[in-house]
Amino acid sequence: ETGVTQTPRHLVMGMTNKKSLKCEQHLGHNAMYWYKQSAKKPLELMFVYNFKEQTENNSVPSRFSPECPNSSHLFLHLHTLQPEDSALYLCASSQDSGRSDEQYFGPGTRLTVT
Amino acid sequence: GNSVTQMEGPVTLSEEAFLTINCTYTATGYPSLFWYVQYPGEGLQLLLKATKADDKGSNKGFEATYRKETTSFHLEKGSVQVSDSAVYFCALSVFGGGADGLTFGKGTHLIIQP
Repeated sequence: ETGVTQTPRHLVMGMTNKKSLKCEQHLGHNAMYWYKQSAKKPLELMFVYNFKEQTENNSVPSRFSPECPNSSHLFLHLHTLQPEDSALYLCASSQDSGRSDEQYFGPGTRLTVT
Repeated sequence: GNSVTQMEGPVTLSEEAFLTINCTYTATGYPSLFWYVQYPGEGLQLLLKATKADDKGSNKGFEATYRKETTSFHLEKGSVQVSDSAVYFCALSVFGGGADGLTFGKGTHLIIQP
């Protein structure tokens, strides 16, 4: 148990659906991250939030829309996804994104786009 | 930019064998270095870290030494167990490096046979 929870753990959605992934951290951290993990590829950083402000968008398509209402919660809203978006989506948190601290990861949401 | 290169595997060893997983990096500034482990069906867990040259990180019998002269952070364990079977990721983070978040290698799949 790392103190970072993600729901749902598994999600199957069609290309026309709209769904949201949720992440919550109980560590008192100020920074939260979304990563995409695909087979045979390095983990890809998608978004970074520090003190609720987005500090990085790593050229992510607009069909992925993040939301960070407070430092403990992070959402990833999904719409009109493509099959190649099927992957494990990992949320992480750290004390502050401006420092080189370690990050704590949630268990991930396994997304399948049909 | 920042990048991490590690052997991809799979690496298959017998129980009680000696383990080395190589990791080299390039960084725009002075990085902190990390090893993360991912067990099947789970998110990433921090295994160990080192924040400056010649530091040795250690945990659960694993060790890695920050070698600035060779830009390396190789992971070692003297006697592996079946329970060490997992995917191991080398990563770096640069303070003030202009890009938040961790930069990961592709991961090394380790299989330990009884």
